[in-house]
Amino acid sequence: GESVGLHLPTLSVQEGDNSIINCAYSNSASDYFIWYKQESGKGPQFIIDIRSNMDKRQGQRVTVLLNKTVKHLSLQIAATQPGDSAVYFCAENYSGGSNYKLTFGKGTLLTVNP
Amino acid sequence: DAGVIQSPRHEVTEMGQEVTLRCKPISGHNSLFWYRQTMMRGLELLIYFNNNVPIDDSGMPEDRFSAKMPNASFSTLKIQPSEPRDSAVYFCASSWGSGRGETQYFGPGTRLLVL
Repeated sequence: GESVGLHLPTLSVQEGDNSIINCAYSNSASDYFIWYKQESGKGPQFIIDIRSNMDKRQGQRVTVLLNKTVKHLSLQIAATQPGDSAVYFCAENYSGGSNYKLTFGKGTLLTVNP
Repeated sequence: DAGVIQSPRHEVTEMGQEVTLRCKPISGHNSLFWYRQTMMRGLELLIYFNNNVPIDDSGMPEDRFSAKMPNASFSTLKIQPSEPRDSAVYFCASSWGSGRGETQYFGPGTRLLVL
């Protein structure tokens, strides 16, 4: 899962397995959360988002879970494929007031073994 | 939709030279963000524009960095003079609205190497 610091957490899974990537966010007032995927040499790509009035949201092969009580966010990828290999970032935002900044986690490197 | 367009994709320059990075946001988006990404510091927000107006430039490292957005479809980030520690990947992102609670869409980035 995510952690503050210089080391990038890594997750290695077998093709076809389900992957779970975790993120501990910092601001209890944050009400908007996004997962991004960044492949080598590319910019972050939007995967899925969730607002704080929900605790689960599903997309195509991906599910995001939000636990506001413990400030935890997770991304579940079903039937992981080699093309899912990338760094995954969670980002949080408090949409109230004048705050427009997305605060990014350090990222988790997902490696899918064929 | 072409997405956010950045140029150049790669830039190698010598210390002391001026570097200009360019960004075309997604058509219709009115918020634009410049980020810098390094292994040590991750993604850092440098500056945020809304409706072509700089709203927050507190992330700009030094006076050597400047950014402009002369119109809704174009922005530049300039470094003058450049230094080796400026070497990083610079991303431009755009969104629609005030920038709050909205998805930011990123460009492919400019990989800058200052020798």
